[in-house]
Amino acid sequence: GAVVSQHPSRVICKSGTSVKIECRSLDFQATTMFWYRQFPKKSLMLMATSNEGSKATYEQGVEKDKFLINHASLTLSTLTVTSAHPEDSSFYICSAFSGAGANVLTFGAGSRLTVL
Amino acid sequence: AQSVTQPDIHITVSEGASLELRCNYSYGATPYLFWYVQSPGQGLQLLLKYFSGDTLVQGIKGFEAEFKRSQSSFNLRKPSVHWSDAAEYFCAVAPPGTASKLTFGTGTRLQVTL
Repeated sequence: GAVVSQHPSRVICKSGTSVKIECRSLDFQATTMFWYRQFPKKSLMLMATSNEGSKATYEQGVEKDKFLINHASLTLSTLTVTSAHPEDSSFYICSAFSGAGANVLTFGAGSRLTVL
Repeated sequence: AQSVTQPDIHITVSEGASLELRCNYSYGATPYLFWYVQSPGQGLQLLLKYFSGDTLVQGIKGFEAEFKRSQSSFNLRKPSVHWSDAAEYFCAVAPPGTASKLTFGTGTRLQVTL
């Protein structure tokens, strides 16, 4: 089946630094990927839609200068949390449709970011 | 705007007992409906989905869900729970015709006692 891989699974960084999270589709091409954020004991919130070869589309209230998304190839999207602060600590999950015509999202295992 | 309500934050059942997790949605038309399961520190795994047709849908791991239009509900059921079913369960909706813009409920944490 379709697999979406995220790396790193856990990352700890100091306040003010930037952190990059990778999302890869391992056995399929994904022209569109989605980034979600999950707060502790809360639901998932869609942050942005990552489009291969073009700018990401951000949901209302999400700072695009804080959360930089790059989708440089059909199998890789990256989320960079810039100048991270403790309030950016969260679980970030990406997802993608597993191929043309697919109508179900495949989710990565998530990346837990802790900003000290 | 669409919304999803999972009224039970936490449920505890004994192994072997039946399970029902509630999900109600608010949407102008009949949306696409999903149930996902998340184990600790893991991503989401799709249990089942409803797009149209038969209102009782079967999923993986012995789960099923029933769409009731009159009640705007999509409750998840399992006749006999296993200890490995302990996890967080999320109900989600998407606009009909696309599964991309998912709106999730707040989740129900299932604890299974032996």
